[in-house]
Amino acid sequence: EAGVTQFPSHSVIEKGQTVTLRCDPISGHDNLYWYRRVMGKEIKFLLHFVKESKQDESGMPNNRFLAERTGGTYSTLKVQPAELEDSGVYFCASSQGLPTDTQYFGPGTRLTVL
Amino acid sequence: AQSVAQPEDQVNVAEGNPLTVKCTYSVSGNPYLFWYVQYPNRGLQFLLKYITGDNLVKGSYGFEAEFNKSQTSFHLKKPSALVSDSALYFCAVSPRRYGGATNKLIFGTGTLLAVQP
Repeated sequence: EAGVTQFPSHSVIEKGQTVTLRCDPISGHDNLYWYRRVMGKEIKFLLHFVKESKQDESGMPNNRFLAERTGGTYSTLKVQPAELEDSGVYFCASSQGLPTDTQYFGPGTRLTVL
Repeated sequence: AQSVAQPEDQVNVAEGNPLTVKCTYSVSGNPYLFWYVQYPNRGLQFLLKYITGDNLVKGSYGFEAEFNKSQTSFHLKKPSALVSDSALYFCAVSPRRYGGATNKLIFGTGTLLAVQP
């Protein structure tokens, strides 16, 4: 069974540009999460989808970040316009339906904003 | 505020010796507790979790963790370290909520484990 996949693995952009990250969860997982780790700090929650609906977006930093999950399958996270402080590793995770179910993480996308 | 503390940025241990990576948390109620590991240039891999029941939880690669409610701790342990265990370890908690609230994970800052041959 394929795990969580993320694309691209790395992205280097200039301040003010737009970047879109993609996450494909494990097939059949209704829950999809986005997290971010800024250099050397803790991994922070961004938002949580249940199927195509946003269950919790309390961790989204500001309105420059837009997440979508069309059809309840893959998800995209767009940053527009990117700022220097957006640099970090963006992780996606997915899980089945119960609160006790394990979240399985993708390899992450390393975003560098110059 | 809810938080997870991993007090050691790095833990050094000789191969064959026991290892402990510490984790304490400040979360109301009885949270779910997790350990993840990140190998170089890889994503987070699930190691083990505590939901309920026996305080000693066994996980992948010979790791185990002990839940201590009174000390709000969930230390990761292994009886005999391997060089291949060298990686970045993250402790995480998920507040136990009801009514369909989010299952977000709250992470610590990570502990780098270095096992010397």
